[in-house]
Amino acid sequence: QQPVQSPQAVILREGEDAVINCSSSKALYSVHWYRQKHGEAPVFLMILLKGGEQKGHDKISASFNEKKQQSSLYLTASQLSYSGTYFCGTEGEYMTTDSWGKLQFGAGTQVVVTP
Amino acid sequence: DTAVSQTPKYLVTQMGNDKSIKCEQNLGHDTMYWYKQDSKKFLKIMFSYNNKELIINETVPNRFSPKSPDKAHLNLHINSLELGDSAVYFCASSQDLVRGQEKLFFGSGTQLSVL
Repeated sequence: QQPVQSPQAVILREGEDAVINCSSSKALYSVHWYRQKHGEAPVFLMILLKGGEQKGHDKISASFNEKKQQSSLYLTASQLSYSGTYFCGTEGEYMTTDSWGKLQFGAGTQVVVTP
Repeated sequence: DTAVSQTPKYLVTQMGNDKSIKCEQNLGHDTMYWYKQDSKKFLKIMFSYNNKELIINETVPNRFSPKSPDKAHLNLHINSLELGDSAVYFCASSQDLVRGQEKLFFGSGTQLSVL
């Protein structure tokens, strides 16, 4: 089952902050974040494991709240290079045939950063 | 050197034709995947192979047949193409099956247009 991302799109001016949320209806083992620029392949940003950890990639950070079964990606002091579509991918908690080895992606959040 | 390369980048064909997309990775990874990205940008897993063995086979029409001659290659053959097959197909690889630690490396995608 695919996670739900919100918002669908966000427009920012350079230097502004944004938060992208990723929610799942099932218990999660990990959450992955990828960014895809127009016409290109998705590129890995970070992985978060259950345990509520936070991670950072430049000025992009993320948190994972396993109790709420959700993750948030924080874009801080956004730069033009942050524009793209951000996808979260989730792995189910339990190693069943339904979840094992499968990364289910959300529909993506389009981020546009303007000068 | 491109880590995950797939060919062709664009594929335009008529309904009913048979076509193949090739993928190669030079990362020494054990696992390879095919993902389909539709016009709404949903990234959906289709297949995954681990050491040439089919591990994940989502509910994909049997007109789609993956083949992995060795662990560095995963090709996708599609028979009797239909309009609904139009999408961008991404090949990806990871060191092992995705279980919390393995990030995906994506190829640049093949845009398939069925007329």
